[in-house]
Amino acid sequence: KQEVTQIPAALSVPEGENLVLNCSFTDSAIYNLQWFRQDPGKGLTSLLLIQSSQREQTSGRLNASLDKSSGRSTLYIAASQPGDSATYLCAVTWQAGTALIFGKGTTLSVSS
Amino acid sequence: EAGVAQSPRYKIIEKRQSVAFWCNPISGHATLYWYQQILGQGPKLLIQFQNNGVVDDSQLPKDRFSAERLKGVDSTLKIQPAKLEDSAVYLCASSMGGVQGANTEAFFGQGTRLTVV
Repeated sequence: KQEVTQIPAALSVPEGENLVLNCSFTDSAIYNLQWFRQDPGKGLTSLLLIQSSQREQTSGRLNASLDKSSGRSTLYIAASQPGDSATYLCAVTWQAGTALIFGKGTTLSVSS
Repeated sequence: EAGVAQSPRYKIIEKRQSVAFWCNPISGHATLYWYQQILGQGPKLLIQFQNNGVVDDSQLPKDRFSAERLKGVDSTLKIQPAKLEDSAVYLCASSMGGVQGANTEAFFGQGTRLTVV
């Protein structure tokens, strides 16, 4: 069964800290992987999309890496800010044309 | 560029009543998805459309849920009759789709929060 797992479920850090969010997936033959941010009561905002042929993608303070052989992706957030507080979701597409399968997310709290 | 539009934002109904949600995807996006997100969980796919055809509805509770995408643009998701366990956020998403499912980056709407009492 194709599954996505995110650990930890929640994380609290002080402002300014660099942090890593983890995502693991069964079956390494993925098509692509997408990281989303979800604020309370809101929809999902796409942060980064990594194709299966790529090793990483960067956007501002965010860097996502992909290691298919180990079935893992990490989202690195540099110099965290209180505004980064949200739930971060990892989702995988295993075949072209199929839908994303999501993990349960990691809820991040950054304190000032 | 306008995003994915959903309405209503919130809905409270009694169990056994019916409810409908509407979604307008990003212009030109061939693929449309409906997801259900229960509190504390990741979104779970209910149904996927490619233009006006159904690609995957394997997780749609067809005895009470139905969805359509007439003319391959807007879509509606209906629940009849609703149960307490249907309380969740219903998210609509779209992607360009295209040849062999390329361009699968998905963009989500704000969601509809349904409370069944």
